Amino acid sequence: DAGVTQSPTHLIKTRGQQVTLRCSPKSGHDTVSWYQQALGQGPQFIFQYYEEEERQRGNFPDRFSGHQFPNYSSELNVNALLLGDSALYLCASSFDRGLGEQYFGPGTRLTVT
Amino acid sequence: QKEVEQNSGPLSVPEGAIASLNCTYSDRGSQSFFWYRQYSGKSPELIMFIYSNGDKEDGRFTAQLNKASQYVSLLIRDSQPSDSATYLCAREAFSGGYNKLIFGAGTRLAVHP
Repeated sequence: DAGVTQSPTHLIKTRGQQVTLRCSPKSGHDTVSWYQQALGQGPQFIFQYYEEEERQRGNFPDRFSGHQFPNYSSELNVNALLLGDSALYLCASSFDRGLGEQYFGPGTRLTVT
Repeated sequence: QKEVEQNSGPLSVPEGAIASLNCTYSDRGSQSFFWYRQYSGKSPELIMFIYSNGDKEDGRFTAQLNKASQYVSLLIRDSQPSDSATYLCAREAFSGGYNKLIFGAGTRLAVHP
């Protein structure tokens, strides 16, 4: 049973560029949540997708957007990158709108220079 | 006041001892709590969750919840050097029928031989 997968593993971008991160949820899961984890901090909730719609959103600007596909996989897009966007981006999958346990993928380490 | 607070540590314990990790939260309506372990450079791994007052045991781990005092703890018995990691406490937060996790900043545990 495949767990949560994310790609790419690492990414280096320049300020002002755009980036797309990808996530495939654990088999049987239908809800994908994205979190940003800065160094030394706990993960911060960005947004959540269920049934291909953004269902709730954390305190992140509109530069952060996403998408969920019919196979439940998801993308996180960040436009106009800032140095402060450098972080570990985590995808968590769960069943039924995020209720119960959420399982994290390995993450994507984004560095903005 | 942060929603979920943890002592950043490091908490240093000798091998074989009991490690006690603590977490407090501000929202009295919180129902469920999760403990994740995160090794350096890796993503969070779910250890256990608890939603009822009292203790919940799973192998060497015991989670304790006291809703009146808004306090959650994780005890690790017979600590091993492989337990050295950052431990993240999270509470469930519901909004419009959807659930997200709110994390503390984590406590770093160091188990020395």
